[in-house]
Amino acid sequence: GAGVSQTPSNKVTEKGKYVELRCDPISGHTALYWYRQSLGQGPEFLIYFQGTGAADDSGLPNDRFFAVRPEGSVSTLKIQRTERGDSAVYLCASSPGQGASSGANVLTFGAGSRLTVL
Amino acid sequence: QKEVEQNSGPLSVPEGAIASLNCTYSDRVSQSFFWYRQYSGKSPELIMSIYSNGDKEDGRFTAQLNKASQYVSLLIRDSQPSDSATYLCAVKRSGYSTLTFGKGTMLLVSP
Repeated sequence: GAGVSQTPSNKVTEKGKYVELRCDPISGHTALYWYRQSLGQGPEFLIYFQGTGAADDSGLPNDRFFAVRPEGSVSTLKIQRTERGDSAVYLCASSPGQGASSGANVLTFGAGSRLTVL
Repeated sequence: QKEVEQNSGPLSVPEGAIASLNCTYSDRVSQSFFWYRQYSGKSPELIMSIYSNGDKEDGRFTAQLNKASQYVSLLIRDSQPSDSATYLCAVKRSGYSTLTFGKGTMLLVSP
């Protein structure tokens, strides 16, 4: 697509529930990133995909968080047993990826999914 | 020490003035540096990227990089009220494919 698309834009859930957040990157971008942004903070890295594989998942806070990108395009961030502290805006970004020019690491962000855990 | 540090602000400047936003980073071998602008309730958008020491100009924006001092800055000339936003500094560290962001500096340009 023309830009990075994220759904849902807003999600309100109850503590303990399971949540899925979806990201559709820019067509042709091989690199996909998930970040989390809390109020007044900068984006915090969660996980990075190069193609279908998670190249770096060091930012995932614990094993309740998991992400997949089975066909190297759309990615889903999955959060189990949600907690109030998970409330944040979850940002997805994509970039042309390895092998590209200096623009390989230029991230284009989606509009984000705002998660509220009650 | 945080990896990327920015003064949270707000930085208030009058319309037409030069706004100077600063960022320091801890990893001496960081390679690439980016400035993103984020309007309230919106996602970050790239303004400038800089990869080598010196200045890089794009319209009203100038990015300055000093790797010896581990310092990167963004100058906005002829500031406009529409420039009011949070400016995020991001760094690509050597050996990593991801960007590390600072907390951002809020800029307020008054008419």
